[in-house]
Amino acid sequence: DGGITQSPKYLFRKEGQNVTLSCEQNLNHDAMYWYRQDPGQGLRLIYYSQIVNDFQKGDIAEGYSVSREKKESFPLTVTSAQKNPTAFYLCASSNEKGSSMVYEQYFGPGTRLTVT
Amino acid sequence: DAKTTQPPSMDCAEGRAANLPCNHSTISGNEYVYWYRQIHSQGPQYIIHGLKNNETNEMASLIITEDRKSSTLILPHATLRDTAVYYCIVRVANQGGKLIFGQGTELSVKP
Repeated sequence: DGGITQSPKYLFRKEGQNVTLSCEQNLNHDAMYWYRQDPGQGLRLIYYSQIVNDFQKGDIAEGYSVSREKKESFPLTVTSAQKNPTAFYLCASSNEKGSSMVYEQYFGPGTRLTVT
Repeated sequence: DAKTTQPPSMDCAEGRAANLPCNHSTISGNEYVYWYRQIHSQGPQYIIHGLKNNETNEMASLIITEDRKSSTLILPHATLRDTAVYYCIVRVANQGGKLIFGQGTELSVKP
């Protein structure tokens, strides 16, 4: 089946450790995104990538890093510099290529990260 | 992107129509209205989008007022599985794909 996978579903880390969240898609989408969601809040954009080997900062990029070496993969690293890393992290992809067409975003199931 | 305003919560009886309102009074002519929903602890799911005409698909209908300052998402026969947070988002089509999620409306479908 086509879709977006995120692993693991739950992740626990000690403060001061970097951690990498996986996101893979087999939808052949060019664009991929990382969002963060805190309890009772909407989603906030961390990073996004419209093509391989290129990515841009979103609204809350500080303390995070990404790479886009392959079209189907967009891993997110939560570094020790991120002051409040505990959150629900969501990855998405879409077929937008900078045209005037409108495309929806498809979301993965999310990874719930807890840092203590 | 234009700001949207939605009621924080709504209830609906199972089998009845759920009508979820959204105000977007500062919407620009090239901004689309999108609706997503998020079932608890899952990723958001796209529902429908529109520019100025009413739209319908297998999930819902979207009614946009003539002045485009507000819209209503209609779930014609709500089921318990429709219980979720519904987000109304407006954005320009070609803007790097960024979606700005507000607080949304928490819809509770009750038996």
